[in-house]
Amino acid sequence: AQSVTQLGSHVSVSEGALVLLRCNYSSSVPPYLFWYVQYPNQGLQLLLKYTSAATLVKGINGFEAEFKKSETSFHLTKPSAHMSDAAEYFCAVSDKTSGTYKYIFGTGTRLKVLA
Amino acid sequence: EPEVTQTPSHQVTQMGQEVILRCVPISNHLYFYWYRQILGQKVEFLVSFYNNEISEKSEIFDDQFSVERPDGSNFTLKIRSTKLEDSAMYFCASSNQQQPGYTFGSGTRLTVV
Repeated sequence: AQSVTQLGSHVSVSEGALVLLRCNYSSSVPPYLFWYVQYPNQGLQLLLKYTSAATLVKGINGFEAEFKKSETSFHLTKPSAHMSDAAEYFCAVSDKTSGTYKYIFGTGTRLKVLA
Repeated sequence: EPEVTQTPSHQVTQMGQEVILRCVPISNHLYFYWYRQILGQKVEFLVSFYNNEISEKSEIFDDQFSVERPDGSNFTLKIRSTKLEDSAMYFCASSNQQQPGYTFGSGTRLTVV
């Protein structure tokens, strides 16, 4: 079965610094991978998704992620953090073992941006 | 951009009471889902629904839970007799194809007291 591991439940970066949020997946088939962002008291907003096309995926708000099969990773990056990036970020893999595409989410990484 | 709409945004209910969470999926979508997120924990799959029947459900989705599409627009999650541990954020989602990548609603925060 598919699974997702997010290393670091909390990450702090200075404003303007590089953001790197780590995600490793386990999948027996070529995976579909996603990053979602959740602002306080809000829903899940799709940042970007990998669906077996280009390995470098660009998303909204300047985020991007690179699919690395050899490392089973799909880390999320942003060159320069902004205060508004403070939120919780979830990596997810899509699982279709029972005929329905459902998401398996990681435990999330809370990003704090320091002024 | 089309949205998945969930109502209410926050609901407080007494333990043992029935609660219905409502969702209006995107109009041309055919696949519907419920997920939940207990405070501080990860988002978990509850159930998927297609062609007026459940496609798949998780271990969490026991006999206390049911889903329904009572008309052409709403998709509801009913919890028959709520427990304290049902307190969570519940997310509805929909998609127009049997493929990954669907749209989530903004969630209903259910508090059972």
